[in-house]
Amino acid sequence: GENVEQHPSTLSVQEGDSAVIKCTYSDSASNYFPWYKQELGKRPQLIIDIRSNVGEKKDQRIAVTLNKTAKHFSLHITETQPEDSAVYFCAASDGNKLVFGAGTILRVKS
Amino acid sequence: DSGVTQTPKHLITATGQRVTLRCSPRSGDLSVYWYQQSLDQGLQFLIQYYNGEERAKGNILERFSAQQFPDLHSELNLSSLELGDSALYFCASSVAAGDTYSPLHFGNGTRLTVT
Repeated sequence: GENVEQHPSTLSVQEGDSAVIKCTYSDSASNYFPWYKQELGKRPQLIIDIRSNVGEKKDQRIAVTLNKTAKHFSLHITETQPEDSAVYFCAASDGNKLVFGAGTILRVKS
Repeated sequence: DSGVTQTPKHLITATGQRVTLRCSPRSGDLSVYWYQQSLDQGLQFLIQYYNGEERAKGNILERFSAQQFPDLHSELNLSSLELGDSALYFCASSVAAGDTYSPLHFGNGTRLTVT
């Protein structure tokens, strides 16, 4: 089955700087790659997703890139703000389910 | 608000007991997924149902079972509970299933504490 690895496990950035989180997946058949943000004690919320027929997608300060050949995808957050502090999970589709990475704790220091 | 309703919010029970977690999906969503999130852990897939039928199974223990009813709500039953079953259990729903993937929308979770 699908295996998703996520790096780094913890990321600290200064407010206003950019943050990049990277994920790799193992199954070349995966075709859907969402990113979820989970604040402390709350539910995961979808922030952006990308399908395998697209290389890049942007939504305001957030962007996701996908390299199908290398089987990796990344989340880019620009102009980080304190409210971006949370745990971020990447995921890849595996048949009827999503397989999640282990998560990245992002801390934005003001 | 995601539109996915999970009850109860909190559950405290003793080892060896059995509990039932309930989930109502968003209106119009036919797929229901159950995930387990232990302390400092990621989201572990348990099981998925689509329109009443089991579609995918993850690392779900034999002590755990689930079902989706004709009104599309789902229940996750956990029996012979152990301390290690303490976790946050999330339900998520989506419109579709299979290759045509649609985003998952998560409920607020049920926090289970086994003492």
